[in-house]
Amino acid sequence: NAGVTQTPKFQVLKTGQSMTLQCAQDMNHEYMSWYRQDPGMGLRLIHYSVGAGITDQGEVPNGYNVSRSTTEDFPLRLLSAAPSQTSVYFCASSRGGGAYEQYFGPGTRLTVT
Amino acid sequence: AQTVTQSQPEMSVQEAETVTLSCTYDTSENNYYLFWYKQPPSRQMILVIRQEAYKQQNATENRFSVNFQKAAKSFSLKISDSQLGDTAMYFCAFADTGANSKLTFGKGITLSVRP
Repeated sequence: NAGVTQTPKFQVLKTGQSMTLQCAQDMNHEYMSWYRQDPGMGLRLIHYSVGAGITDQGEVPNGYNVSRSTTEDFPLRLLSAAPSQTSVYFCASSRGGGAYEQYFGPGTRLTVT
Repeated sequence: AQTVTQSQPEMSVQEAETVTLSCTYDTSENNYYLFWYKQPPSRQMILVIRQEAYKQQNATENRFSVNFQKAAKSFSLKISDSQLGDTAMYFCAFADTGANSKLTFGKGITLSVRP
């Protein structure tokens, strides 16, 4: 099993550009989520999904879109990148909600200039 | 909304010694889950230990154990016989019960193990 994979590992964007961070898992987990990690802020939940076709907002959803067309994939879209979105982004999956062990991807370091 | 507080930003410990990382949380729920996650320099997040609030017994995983004080809303992590590989950032996290429960993280603490 590859677990949770994320691409790309690093990305530099200019302000106003859009892009999609990819996340995939091969553990047949229903629950998937996206977090951003900023220095001194811990991990903050952006969006999450409890199954294909179902998504909901987390703590910091503004500027991000998600969709879940399959159990395996949960892409995160930045609509119009801003310097405030410079961060490390983590995708995670689990067999249930946050009460279960989360399996994290390796992260994507995004810089917006 | 639940909050998780880790008030110590950094700690250091000598190899082979014991260290305790502190965490407090706030919730009005009676049943919930608490976690410690580890993030080494590789950036990969991994689960260290999980505690269910309705269980009186403190969770242990090899050299890692917790001191769960429900009334005080305190959840500290004790690392015994510290090893160089324990050098990492440690995050305390809270989740309520339910299929759609969300995980709330503290700000983390950077632990350095000195040789």
